Amino acid sequence: AQTVTQSQPEMSVQEAETVTLSCTYDTSENNYYLFWYKQPPSRQMILVIRQEAYKQQNATENRFSVNFQKAAKSFSLKISDSQLGDTAMYFCAFPFDSGGGADGLTFGKGTHLIIQP
Amino acid sequence: NAGVMQNPRHLVRRRGQEARLRCSPMKGHSHVYWYRQLPEEGLKFMVYLQKENIIDESGMPKERFSAEFPKEGPSILRIQQVVRGDSAAYFCASSDIQGEAFFGQGTRLTVV
Repeated sequence: AQTVTQSQPEMSVQEAETVTLSCTYDTSENNYYLFWYKQPPSRQMILVIRQEAYKQQNATENRFSVNFQKAAKSFSLKISDSQLGDTAMYFCAFPFDSGGGADGLTFGKGTHLIIQP
Repeated sequence: NAGVMQNPRHLVRRRGQEARLRCSPMKGHSHVYWYRQLPEEGLKFMVYLQKENIIDESGMPKERFSAEFPKEGPSILRIQQVVRGDSAAYFCASSDIQGEAFFGQGTRLTVV
């Protein structure tokens, strides 16, 4: 079974600082995707960034980037120039093969990120 | 495109009653997933459905819980004889065959 571990229950940084959220996972697969989702107080789950395991290059979306280390099974999220609106729960997620052509997701327990003004 | 629509947003049930949660997937999506989120927890996979078929229900409790995705209409997650431990946020997601999942805003079920 695949597992996803987020070891930081809560983090707090000042506005404009850079913060890194960690995620490790366990899988025997070779080709897969990894995701980071954001859940603000509205509870809406928002996809932040996606990484394809076969790609060497780390994914980047504006202020969000990942540090993907496949051998170490590590997938951290870096938020640069953090903003107040980044305050949210952040979940790392890993798809598992449900056998129907698409995948369900296994989520970590989340990191509560607080951006202080 | 209205996105994934879940209703109701909030649902209160007394112990022993039935809860019905509805999910309309994004237009063009034929894959629906249900997740449960307990307080201070991540989302836990419950069930994956395609039209008229349950593909994977490995995360569904064996009793009282059922799900369907009929040929016409929304997907329904049904919880019979609710207990306090069923109180949680229930999220629906949908995807096309490419697999990126889009989530609804969830239904918060409170059992009193």
